[in-house]
Amino acid sequence: DGGITQSPKYLFRKEGQNVTLSCEQNLNHDAMYWYRQDPGQGLRLIYYSQIVNDFQKGDIAEGYSVSREKKESFPLTVTSAQKNPTAFYLCASTRRTDGAKNIQYFGAGTRLSVL
Amino acid sequence: QKEVEQNSGPLSVPEGAIASLNCTYSDRGSQSFFWYRQYSGKSPELIMSIYSNGDKEDGRFTAQLNKASQYVSLLIRDSQPSDSATYLCAVFSTSGTYKYIFGTGTRLKVLA
Repeated sequence: DGGITQSPKYLFRKEGQNVTLSCEQNLNHDAMYWYRQDPGQGLRLIYYSQIVNDFQKGDIAEGYSVSREKKESFPLTVTSAQKNPTAFYLCASTRRTDGAKNIQYFGAGTRLSVL
Repeated sequence: QKEVEQNSGPLSVPEGAIASLNCTYSDRGSQSFFWYRQYSGKSPELIMSIYSNGDKEDGRFTAQLNKASQYVSLLIRDSQPSDSATYLCAVFSTSGTYKYIFGTGTRLKVLA
């Protein structure tokens, strides 16, 4: 079955530690996205990528980094510079990179907490 | 003004009633509009997409779009307790960057 796989489901970070969240899709989608969701809040865009080896900052990129070395994979690293990383992280993808009628699909999410 | 606004709720409706969820957006150039359902602790799942003015029906769900008023709504007929969730409105923005903008969601409670 095609879909978006995020791992791990739960992740704990120690202070000063970098952690990496995995996102893999087998939908052959061109564009991939990372969002952060805090309790009672909507989704805020961290980074997105429309093509391999290229990505753009979203609204809250500080303290995060990404790579897009393969079309299927878009890992997110939460660095020690991100002082408040506790949140629900969602990876998404869309088939095309141009605009209208382009539905965004989501992975199951990773819940990150600070120890 | 927020780019996509929703009433946070909770919106409580009795089982079998019609639930009406509303969303307004600020970008007049927006082309695509989406409603996602999100259960507590889970990821969003697409309920409806709508791209042109008017109504779009799919089973018990009807999405309504009025671009002149910058307004999109979701009606849920014959509401069931299993419809209890947070409903997120999302708009694809064409202003500047290529991105989807989400509202903060409306929490719906269907009372048995």
